[in-house]
Amino acid sequence: NAGVTQTPKFQVLKTGQSMTLQCAQDMNHNSMYWYRQDPGMGLRLIYYSASEGTTDKGEVPNGYNVSRLNKREFSLRLESAAPSQTSVYFCASSRRTSGGADTQYFGPGTRLTVL
Amino acid sequence: GQSLEQPSEVTAVEGAIVQINCTYQTSGFYGLSWYQQHDGGAPTFLSYNALDGLEETGRFSSFLSRSDSYGYLLLQELQMKDSASYFCAVRSPGGGYQKVTFGTGTKLQVIP
Repeated sequence: NAGVTQTPKFQVLKTGQSMTLQCAQDMNHNSMYWYRQDPGMGLRLIYYSASEGTTDKGEVPNGYNVSRLNKREFSLRLESAAPSQTSVYFCASSRRTSGGADTQYFGPGTRLTVL
Repeated sequence: GQSLEQPSEVTAVEGAIVQINCTYQTSGFYGLSWYQQHDGGAPTFLSYNALDGLEETGRFSSFLSRSDSYGYLLLQELQMKDSASYFCAVRSPGGGYQKVTFGTGTKLQVIP
């Protein structure tokens, strides 16, 4: 049981290049999320997917697209990378507990630098 | 919109007790969660409060007052390994129950 996995772990891009960050979970969770984390800014939600086949914008969606490929996989695409997208990207999945908690399980993160 | 406020840094002595506060302003509210993140690591879930009162999980406790839009995380018998950042997060309506907003985090340093 690997939990949430992300690839790649590190990436350097030049301005204008594109790339896709991959995320997969093996916990049979319905909901998945993409966050970015910048120093002093905490975690900011980029996009989320409540269930297979649905996606919604979060707090900072501009410059990103997502695909919920199936229940396990949720990818994040940068079409034309910009230096402002230099950040650490976390994927997460969640389940509702009997007590109502929406516990999120995070992947190890992708450290992206855009030059 | 949503906003959460936490202290940016807290220092405490090994073996002591520390409280990390979180105040929030949201349109609607389902619950308050706490996450721990060590440097270079991923956030991990610690606790969740949907109702007023105290939830205890080992050395960690979390408190919520919905009327005051306030919560705190209490860490007892501090250990060096508790040095990490702690985030509060509010779950609220808006695009489904999955809307989660994180605070900017409190960096806890435990000193000998």
